Amino acid sequence: DVKVTQSSRYLVKRTGEKVFLECVQDMDHENMFWYRQDPGLGLRLIYFSYDVKMKEKGDIPEGYSVSREKKERFSLILESASTNQTSMYLCASSSYEGRGYTFGSGTRLTVV
Amino acid sequence: RKEVEQDPGPFNVPEGATVAFNCTYSNSASQSFFWYRQDCRKEPKLLMSVYSSGNEDGRFTAQLNRASQYISLLIRDSKLSDSATYLCVVTGDYKLSFGAGTTVTVRA
Repeated sequence: DVKVTQSSRYLVKRTGEKVFLECVQDMDHENMFWYRQDPGLGLRLIYFSYDVKMKEKGDIPEGYSVSREKKERFSLILESASTNQTSMYLCASSSYEGRGYTFGSGTRLTVV
Repeated sequence: RKEVEQDPGPFNVPEGATVAFNCTYSNSASQSFFWYRQDCRKEPKLLMSVYSSGNEDGRFTAQLNRASQYISLLIRDSKLSDSATYLCVVTGDYKLSFGAGTTVTVRA
């Protein structure tokens, strides 16, 4: 089974801090994604990457950046955390469009 | 307009009942369709793909209507373990677009 591992299950950070969320997958998938999930809004795509060092903006990239230096690792960076970035963050990977799309267990980030 | 819209529910049904709900999508060029299941405080997991001809997986039946741009999910003989939020997912250009989910609660 594909395994997607997110580094932290729960995280509490202060406003203005730089925050790194790490995601690692072990199945040599090309595509990796970062979503956030909020009540009533569902999952919204922040950034995705279809290859090493490649990145594409999703629907809500403002306030975020990403890094993909190695195929198995996709990092989400909050340059200066704000309270409206309090959310559940989900990483996912897939081998090709829409198939074998597997999620990590999520990181619940609280910014205070 | 949201790309994918779902009735949030909740649908409260007794064990053994049949429950069905729909999802509409706005992009007529969408290529693939899925239902994901998400339990409380857990990550979404793929429940089933949705094919043009309709498909079944045990007690679950999925249908796609491209003309009207909606997909549906029907659960027969509901079990307590079917209680979850069901996410409608539509794909295009590498990424998936998610509905906000339909919550189903099956009661004893």
